[in-house]
Amino acid sequence: DIQMTQSPSTLSASVGDRVTITCRASQSISSWLAWYQQKPGRAPKLLIYKVSSLESGVPSRFSGGGSGTEFTLTISSLQPDDFATYYCQQYNSFSPSWTFGQGTKVEIK
Amino acid sequence: QLQLLESGPGLVKPSETLSLTCTVAGDSISTGGYYWGWIRQPPGKGLEWIGSIYYNGNTYYNPSLKSRVTISVDTSKNQFSLKLSSVTAADTAVYFCARLTIAFGGVVENWGQGTLVTVSS
Repeated sequence: DIQMTQSPSTLSASVGDRVTITCRASQSISSWLAWYQQKPGRAPKLLIYKVSSLESGVPSRFSGGGSGTEFTLTISSLQPDDFATYYCQQYNSFSPSWTFGQGTKVEIK
Repeated sequence: QLQLLESGPGLVKPSETLSLTCTVAGDSISTGGYYWGWIRQPPGKGLEWIGSIYYNGNTYYNPSLKSRVTISVDTSKNQFSLKLSSVTAADTAVYFCARLTIAFGGVVENWGQGTLVTVSS
């Protein structure tokens, strides 16, 4: 099974900061890598799919990148609405299965 | 607009079977191009994929839960269901039903609101 490991687990930052979250896969994966944002008591919200494609309606300050086993989510200028927990998710299309990272909480510094 | 609504008991006794149903409104569950799935989140913890089903009945389960999970679909009612047997306190979680878009890499664009299931005697 493919494991997804996010770092850091918690990130303290200020409004306006550039923030990067990393997601590492236990083996090379395809480009089916997505990122979600979750706020307390709410269902997650899709931000990025296929490594770097921005979901409709998501602000352009969010961007994704990477390949192979290492992927990143970058917020170019952190806004008050961005304080939340972020999850990466990979999809294995060959024998359909899904794996989430353990999450990264972005908190106010 | 697609809506997903979970329903089922909020309290289940240890060793019993957890049963949840997701009712889909705003689209037919028989529309190709989507998986229908269950994802859970224990209190204060991360997300865990439980399993997914295609409208034709093909199922895919998390290996760590496979021996206890059954997901089924009822196209006539536009619903899909989850059964998790032999539950323990570790199965206490918010359970989300979801639509997963195959073309975008199985991503979840649509989530139910989630339902908390507590396993306790």
